[in-house]
Amino acid sequence: DAGITQSPRHKVTETGTPVTLRCHQTENHRYMYWYRQDPGHGLRLIHYSYGVKDTDKGEVSDGYSVSRSKTEDFLLTLESATSSQTSVYFCAISASNNLNTEAFFGQGTRLTVV
Amino acid sequence: KQEVTQIPAALSVPEGENLVLNCSFTDSAIYNLQWFRQDPGKGLTSLLLIQSSQREQTSGRLNASLDKSSGRSTLYIAASQPGDSATYLCCEYSGAGSYQLTFGKGTKLSVIP
Repeated sequence: DAGITQSPRHKVTETGTPVTLRCHQTENHRYMYWYRQDPGHGLRLIHYSYGVKDTDKGEVSDGYSVSRSKTEDFLLTLESATSSQTSVYFCAISASNNLNTEAFFGQGTRLTVV
Repeated sequence: KQEVTQIPAALSVPEGENLVLNCSFTDSAIYNLQWFRQDPGKGLTSLLLIQSSQREQTSGRLNASLDKSSGRSTLYIAASQPGDSATYLCCEYSGAGSYQLTFGKGTKLSVIP
């Protein structure tokens, strides 16, 4: 699993509550990504990070924020969860010393907003 | 915005058949292309990575090719087995100032015993 841990693995939350998902890596890789996966849409990029405190938006960033205060941790926060954010969330990492490197994924977090 | 397309969306073949999965991309500045496998309810497992300077990579029964000029990649699976049944996703990495990984929607493969 390339040293990637996502937590929690499953979560049920109520509409309007804040939710934070955590991605932790042990590889010291520079790039980290948050994706959501939904039937019919595939994997869509939410936010990504290219270094500590360096983040940028992906194609579906509305309603989400991220933080990266340490190389090993990338947090995804839903400020006020909505039912449309029910999804499976994946974290990915890739190295920076050579751009031609593999990306590795975590096992995913299944989030249900009721 | 980069786009990655995988056709067909689903494919069913008898066991033992050789098959090809297709991936097309619009990014002319592609850095690398990676193939993944995803089993139901699971994460993505990396299968093969092709760097932009390479034309193909092989691992066991799998062979992936990359043609940057035509914007296409193929994943060839030899002597398919029921255990190969999964969704296969291709992903292109554009290092041209964006650092983003762009995925196709995948091809769901079923290998019938």
